[in-house]
Amino acid sequence: DAKTTQPPSMDCAEGRAANLPCNHSTISGNEYVYWYRQIHSQGPQYIIHGLKNNETNEMASLIITEDRKSSTLILPHATLRDTAVYYCIVRSHYGGSQGNLIFGKGTKLSVKP
Amino acid sequence: DTAVSQTPKYLVTQMGNDKSIKCEQNLGHDTMYWYKQDSKKFLKIMFSYNNKELIINETVPNRFSPKSPDKAHLNLHINSLELGDSAVYFCASSQGLAGRTDTQYFGPGTRLTVL
Repeated sequence: DAKTTQPPSMDCAEGRAANLPCNHSTISGNEYVYWYRQIHSQGPQYIIHGLKNNETNEMASLIITEDRKSSTLILPHATLRDTAVYYCIVRSHYGGSQGNLIFGKGTKLSVKP
Repeated sequence: DTAVSQTPKYLVTQMGNDKSIKCEQNLGHDTMYWYKQDSKKFLKIMFSYNNKELIINETVPNRFSPKSPDKAHLNLHINSLELGDSAVYFCASSQGLAGRTDTQYFGPGTRLTVL
């Protein structure tokens, strides 16, 4: 089962920042927070991941709370092409089944003109 | 250039048939995976292979048999297809060992419909 909780859906206006929350209150010390997204009819796409520090790349920023029990994915200037289901995944650093990507239901983000 | 490719994109077949889905990655990765996304959109891992060897085999019926002729290919063969096998199947690959924190790159998916 997924170890994360996300809102089922969110709307965002085009050009505005999209802030997608994720709760992972049972995260353990060796587990990373990963974000993937799945645009309709396509395979999942990696966005970003982090352990405890905030991270930023060309796609998004990841803000992880100090206690690591929750995080927020930020798309700074959402476009219509960012409409997708966003998955927050907690994943072990170790190999084998512990490191599996376990997808939950995700958040369906709708970016509107 | 497509990093992870799958064929066919769509597959419609009758119950009881045997079918295969092919996956190829040109990223030079050592590990490949198969995932199944059912009608409720849950995406679950089925298998992972590292350098042609099975690493992870989640609870999947024996009718599903992955085959890796080389580390760039991981094909999925399904025997005696059932209605419940209808789903979208995604192939993925990553640089290092299965389950490590390497980014997984997914293919476009194969939509299998069993009639």
